[in-house]
Amino acid sequence: EVQLLESGGGLVQPGGSLRLSCAASGFTFRSYAMSWVRQAPGKGLEWVSAISSGGGLTWYGDSVKGRFTISRDNSKNTLYLQMSSLRAEDTAVYYCAKDLYEGSPYYFDSWGQGTLVTVSS
Amino acid sequence: DIVMTQSPDSLPVSLGERATINCRSSQSVLYSSNSKNYLGWYQQKPGQPPKLLIYWASTRESGVPDRFSGSGSGTDFTLTISSLQAEDVAVYYCQQYYSAPLTFGGGTKVEIK
Repeated sequence: EVQLLESGGGLVQPGGSLRLSCAASGFTFRSYAMSWVRQAPGKGLEWVSAISSGGGLTWYGDSVKGRFTISRDNSKNTLYLQMSSLRAEDTAVYYCAKDLYEGSPYYFDSWGQGTLVTVSS
Repeated sequence: DIVMTQSPDSLPVSLGERATINCRSSQSVLYSSNSKNYLGWYQQKPGQPPKLLIYWASTRESGVPDRFSGSGSGTDFTLTISSLQAEDVAVYYCQQYYSAPLTFGGGTKVEIK
């Protein structure tokens, strides 16, 4: 059974930094692209970033480009999202999502339960 | 960026009746070289992460009841629930994966009339 467990969320001040992690199990992590998708309180889904199976290719949404960095450690079956210069509008539940393929991000067949990031002074 | 527009925002449907959700993309998500529409549908229940229902616009994910079906091509797509069950109360999202950045529709909330 695929399991994705996010961690690292919490309260951070505007301008601060935070690193999210997603521990994966139940599948061959190194064979699949992965993404982060967020959901602001009471709002819809927003794709944040993706990384190819080997980590060599990354993609970002316009709202986080230059501030967030996605990475992965296939030896640890873990996905990361380094977030810096955080803004109030980054407040959201951040989901880790598994893609069906290894390269460009497509659609997501498994999701974690999410971790809440709150940006506030 | 490809903008995804869903309608309606809210959809009250009686139990056993049909629910139809529309999704329109600002440009075609049909890839001519393989004739595939790069469009998926998700269901999200309160307090839960999204669940994949449909991909390639009309392929049902394993384990998804056959009352859920997807149709459409190019820029106009539909998710149909043929006979609404109580457990189908949720918000439904379409998503394009034709090009990055991936984008979702705003969601349609399906509720019992």
